[in-house]
Amino acid sequence: GQNIDQPTEMTATEGAIVQINCTYQTSGFNGLFWYQQHAGEAPTFLSYNVLDGLEEKGRFSSFLSRSKGYSYLLLKELQMKDSASYLCAAPSYSGAGSYQLTFGKGTKLSVIP
Amino acid sequence: GAVVSQHPSRVICKSGTSVKIECRSLDFQATTMFWYRQFPKQSLMLMATSNEGSKATYEQGVEKDKFLINHASLTLSTLTVTSAHPEDSSFYICSARDDRGRGVEETQYFGPGTRLLVL
Repeated sequence: GQNIDQPTEMTATEGAIVQINCTYQTSGFNGLFWYQQHAGEAPTFLSYNVLDGLEEKGRFSSFLSRSKGYSYLLLKELQMKDSASYLCAAPSYSGAGSYQLTFGKGTKLSVIP
Repeated sequence: GAVVSQHPSRVICKSGTSVKIECRSLDFQATTMFWYRQFPKQSLMLMATSNEGSKATYEQGVEKDKFLINHASLTLSTLTVTSAHPEDSSFYICSARDDRGRGVEETQYFGPGTRLLVL
């Protein structure tokens, strides 16, 4: 099965840097996703890591360590609009070339002035 | 990018009635679609995997007779909540997998969600 753990809530200041951690235990590893979800909206894709290391994409970066079962999402130059829930998700193969996602409970980030 | 729509975006109904939610992939074909449910302050929970031309696969604890799924075409899946009750009030989100996708990264595109309130 899949077990994904991330902090429930975090608060950070506008302009600062914040790191959101995710630890996972999966029966088979197929990479790790990060999604952003604003209240009342569907998740939007942020990143997908399958190899160890840091991948940078603008203000957002995602890191993966497969040996440690650990990932983090790094948000730089925080803006008020970054206030949202950030979901860590692991795909598992469901047959016929398809993968289903298991989501963590999400980390609600509040950016304050 | 790929677009997935859901209709309606919001629905209020009386207890005991049935509600149908549509999920459409607008610019790609999707043999596989997924239905999720999200309660307030909770994460997305996969309810079922919808497969075009065959029966849906339901997750443990999800009643298949209560949540009817029909994947009648490569661009449309519907979820019908039968005899809805207040505890079914939730945010229902669908996602669709582009059939052209080859890797795990090209996994799912999410619809905007449907908020159901059962009175």
